[in-house]
Amino acid sequence: GIQVEQSPPDLILQEGANSTLRCNFSDSVNNLQWFHQNPWGQLINLFYIPSGTKQNGRLSATTVATERYSLLYISSSQTTDSGVYFCAVEPQPGGGNKLTFGTGTQLKVEL
Amino acid sequence: DAGITQSPRHKVTETGTPVTLRCHQTENHRYMYWYRQDPGHGLRLIHYSYGVKDTDKGEVSDGYSVSRSKTEDFLLTLESATSSQTSVYFCAISESGTWLAEQFFGPGTRLTVL
Repeated sequence: GIQVEQSPPDLILQEGANSTLRCNFSDSVNNLQWFHQNPWGQLINLFYIPSGTKQNGRLSATTVATERYSLLYISSSQTTDSGVYFCAVEPQPGGGNKLTFGTGTQLKVEL
Repeated sequence: DAGITQSPRHKVTETGTPVTLRCHQTENHRYMYWYRQDPGHGLRLIHYSYGVKDTDKGEVSDGYSVSRSKTEDFLLTLESATSSQTSVYFCAISESGTWLAEQFFGPGTRLTVL
């Protein structure tokens, strides 16, 4: 099945810093989503982004489907950004009828 | 807010007992999903539903059954709980009405099987 790799696995930032999280996938996809799991365990949908670029406040995401990767940008990080960031992909038909999740990037933002 | 609630939020049970987890949504979404989250495995799909009484298996369905008798409720049953089913269980919906489209998750149920 499709492989989804996220990097870096862990990241520590000072409040106010910027960061880029990467999601690589091994095959063509129908859709790609980014999620944030906060320290209390809640999973929050950040972006539904099969291709192109979207922005939502301090967060933006870009997916380059032809090159099989997606990037999540966090600008001016805050302590509330801490948690785990997951990307998830739906393979194109024939690749598995489910979302495949990456193993996540654990982010800690310190004061 | 996708209006998804799960109950119970925490449960401790013993091996061999039946357990039912409930997912309730308030916005009439067609697609609903049950996932489990385990360290080292991430989120994995257990079962899903594409309408009332329409359900199908995901990638880790052994030992689980589901039912959906009303649009708003999707039940996950462990017929005879085992320690390997200790996990955090999440329910999700697809907001746009398209299979696997933009998913929103409930708060999760932490299940411990002793």
